[in-house]
Amino acid sequence: EPEVTQTPSHQVTQMGQEVILRCVPISNHLYFYWYRQILGQKVEFLVSFYNNEISEKSEIFDDQFSVERPDGSNFTLKIRSTKLEDSAMYFCASGGSGTLQGAFFGQGTRLTVV
Amino acid sequence: QQQVKQSPQSLIVQKGGISIINCAYENTAFDYFPWYQQFPGKGPALLIAIRPDVSEKKEGRFTISFNKSAKQFSLHIMDSQPGDSATYFCAAGSGPDTGRRALTFGSGTRLQVQP
Repeated sequence: EPEVTQTPSHQVTQMGQEVILRCVPISNHLYFYWYRQILGQKVEFLVSFYNNEISEKSEIFDDQFSVERPDGSNFTLKIRSTKLEDSAMYFCASGGSGTLQGAFFGQGTRLTVV
Repeated sequence: QQQVKQSPQSLIVQKGGISIINCAYENTAFDYFPWYQQFPGKGPALLIAIRPDVSEKKEGRFTISFNKSAKQFSLHIMDSQPGDSATYFCAAGSGPDTGRRALTFGSGTRLQVQP
């Protein structure tokens, strides 16, 4: 069964450092997302990406965040200058067309900012 | 208006019992309502979803009931099993193609099914 894969599974970084989280969406999907989940809390939408541009972004997705689809398969989230409060599980998701297909999530990258 | 309110926060059910989780929304533009199941350390997995043109959808032991006028929807897990123990999130989205929709998640319900 096709799946969304994310790397790394766990990233520890110093405050102020840049991190890049990587994702390989399901191959025939057209829509790509990043969500985050702070430990024990709900899943929060960050950004959606379609046709090589951002479709929608939340208030959380400020200037320190950026997304890119550098080639035909990878989808990345860059956090430019990490803060302690960026510590969370970051989920990549992808979705295809169709009335009830929905979004499929990867296993997540646990980001710990120290 | 974008919030999706979910209850209860946690739920303990005996094996074989029915688990019921409820969600309510305000934004009438929402027209897609999926439920996700999440095991510890894993990503949310799409369980079942409904659109507002039907009042109920059943897939195996899982049923979504949808009340458009009340802006509420619920997940029923029949014959609950210990393997169902997980956190369940309701979500809502709007727009064309369901795969294209940014989702607003509820706060989650931690379900524990006791053997």
